[in-house]
Amino acid sequence: DQQVKQNSPSLSVQEGRISILNCDYTNSMFDYFLWYKKYPAEGPTFLISISSIKDKNEDGRFTVFLNKSAKHLSLHIVPSQPGDSAVYFCAATSGTYKYIFGTGTRLKVLA
Amino acid sequence: GAGVSQSPRYKVAKRGQDVALRCDPISGHVSLFWYQQALGQGPEFLTYFQNEAQLDKSGLPSDRFFAERPEGSVSTLKIQRTQQEDSAVYLCASSLEGVGNEQFFGPGTRLTVL
Repeated sequence: DQQVKQNSPSLSVQEGRISILNCDYTNSMFDYFLWYKKYPAEGPTFLISISSIKDKNEDGRFTVFLNKSAKHLSLHIVPSQPGDSAVYFCAATSGTYKYIFGTGTRLKVLA
Repeated sequence: GAGVSQSPRYKVAKRGQDVALRCDPISGHVSLFWYQQALGQGPEFLTYFQNEAQLDKSGLPSDRFFAERPEGSVSTLKIQRTQQEDSAVYLCASSLEGVGNEQFFGPGTRLTVL
């Protein structure tokens, strides 16, 4: 049973445009969500997070939106840059140390 | 650097061999985690240490998997009698505390069982 789902395995976006990566979850007990970015042959790197008491968190070019009623979150990258090309993982936790990860979305930003 | 390091980076084992994977967490990090990432999947939780205490091993797939962190720093994940389904990337992560703190990941060890 996949509690965190990333239904788009890949996404291609033109440099300078907006990238939108989506994530759905099924467990209503999740109260903290994270996005990690992963380059080949490296471990995942923390990007941005959001608590369930918020519906938006912004950090530079990266914004995460949370829609609790729809059990959906999204990561917006504006403007997209070629260096953003990586695999992005959504993760969720219910107030514990245990992260539940999605299967990832491979983003390719075209120059 | 001061990040999480793992060794070896790549390991090829024949089915039935035992393997040991090492993780050096960030200095001062109390919490240490092991994850297994199969091809095309996200990382899946295996086990959690707070200092030297293994507080959660609910994600270990079988009793062939064993992890330790005897001095509360370096950790070793051992897999006995490896099977082909054990082929995956094994990621180690550490954090200051277990809850509410970002987990920093190492580069992983890619294990291939032939």
